[in-house]
Amino acid sequence: EVQMVESGGRLVRPGGSLRLSCAASGFNFSTYSMLWFRQAPGKGLEWVSSISATSRYIYYADSVKGRFTISRDNAKTSLYLQMNSLRAEDTAIYYCARTYFWGRGTLVTVSS
Amino acid sequence: DIVMTQTPLSLPVTPGEPASISCRSSQSLFDSDDGNTYLDWYLQKPGQSPQVLIYRLSHRASGVPDRFSGSGSGTDFTLKISRVEAEDVGVYYCMQRLDFPITFGQGTRLEIK
Repeated sequence: EVQMVESGGRLVRPGGSLRLSCAASGFNFSTYSMLWFRQAPGKGLEWVSSISATSRYIYYADSVKGRFTISRDNAKTSLYLQMNSLRAEDTAIYYCARTYFWGRGTLVTVSS
Repeated sequence: DIVMTQTPLSLPVTPGEPASISCRSSQSLFDSDDGNTYLDWYLQKPGQSPQVLIYRLSHRASGVPDRFSGSGSGTDFTLKISRVEAEDVGVYYCMQRLDFPITFGQGTRLEIK
């Protein structure tokens, strides 16, 4: 069964940093591109970042470019999102995803 | 960026009746290199993460009831539910993944009358 389990979400002050993790299982992780999406409270879905299977190709939404860094460890079948210079508007549920499969998400709250 | 526009934004439906959601993209989602149209439909049920219903325009995902179907071409797409059931409530999103940034429609909230 394909599964992604996110962790690392918590309350953080504006300007702070956070690292999200995603543990993947049930598929050949090293052959799939992986993605992060987010959903602000009561709002729609937003793509955040993508990384190719070998980490050669990486893409970011303009809203997070220069502040967020996506990475992966194929040996640990894990995906990461390093988030720096966090803002109130980054408050959201962050979802780890593979094509067609999403995790349950982890909540990040940026507030003083 | 490719802009995705969904209509309607709210859809009240009587159980057993059909329903239809439209999605329009600001540019064609057809990839002439591989012949695929990169338009997916997701349903987010209350309190859950999004689940794929239809991928690449018209392919029904595993486990999705056959009352769901996707159609369209180029820039105009439709998700149809032949007979709505109570378990179909939630927010439906179209998503394009032809190009980065990946973009979504605003979402259509389906509710049971």
